[in-house]
Amino acid sequence: GAGVSQSPSNKVTEKGKDVELRCDPISGHTALYWYRQRLGQGLEFLIYFQGNSAPDKSGLPSDRFSAERTGESVSTLTIQRTQQEDSAVYLCASSPYFGNEQFFGPGTRLTVL
Amino acid sequence: SQQGEEDPQALSIQEGENATMNCSYKTSINNLQWYRQNSGRGLVHLILIRSNEREKHSGRLRVTLDTSKKSSSLLITASRAADTASYFCATEGWGKLQFGAGTQVVVTP
Repeated sequence: GAGVSQSPSNKVTEKGKDVELRCDPISGHTALYWYRQRLGQGLEFLIYFQGNSAPDKSGLPSDRFSAERTGESVSTLTIQRTQQEDSAVYLCASSPYFGNEQFFGPGTRLTVL
Repeated sequence: SQQGEEDPQALSIQEGENATMNCSYKTSINNLQWYRQNSGRGLVHLILIRSNEREKHSGRLRVTLDTSKKSSSLLITASRAADTASYFCATEGWGKLQFGAGTQVVVTP
């Protein structure tokens, strides 16, 4: 079946612009996660959604970052007024239920000039 | 902040040899997971070990967990060139995965 998909695969933007990243999870997966991976580093948790519960936003680095999820489907991660330090690969993952193994998408490589 | 710390940071071995990497963490966990990442296939889940388990096998992979020492190890037996990748441990607590910086493994033919 289809895995987790993300779009765009690459995004180059100018400092100060807003960007929106999209994630399509595996159908039926109730949990969805966003991570950031800087070059040569591990993944940094940003936010997760579990069913209709309030999302856990504890990993968002600043109020410029926000995310939404429509029901148990698509999620968008928005970064406002991008800064150069936002440059990273943004990975989305989904899971059949809370606390289980996570299935990752290919990521969106964001470059802020 | 990162929860897991992998050791070594890099490992170079020849095909057929075993590769062992370790992970230490700081807080209590529900489970610990190992992932592999390479440029061709992205991040792939390898194995999950729950906090009440001590050892788990999957094919050529063997994972151990010692909750008293807050540590885990991943053993890859009879390595192949295709095992060349970065390996990450991730601790799960309250639904969130916290990753270490990874071990880069290079397997030469």
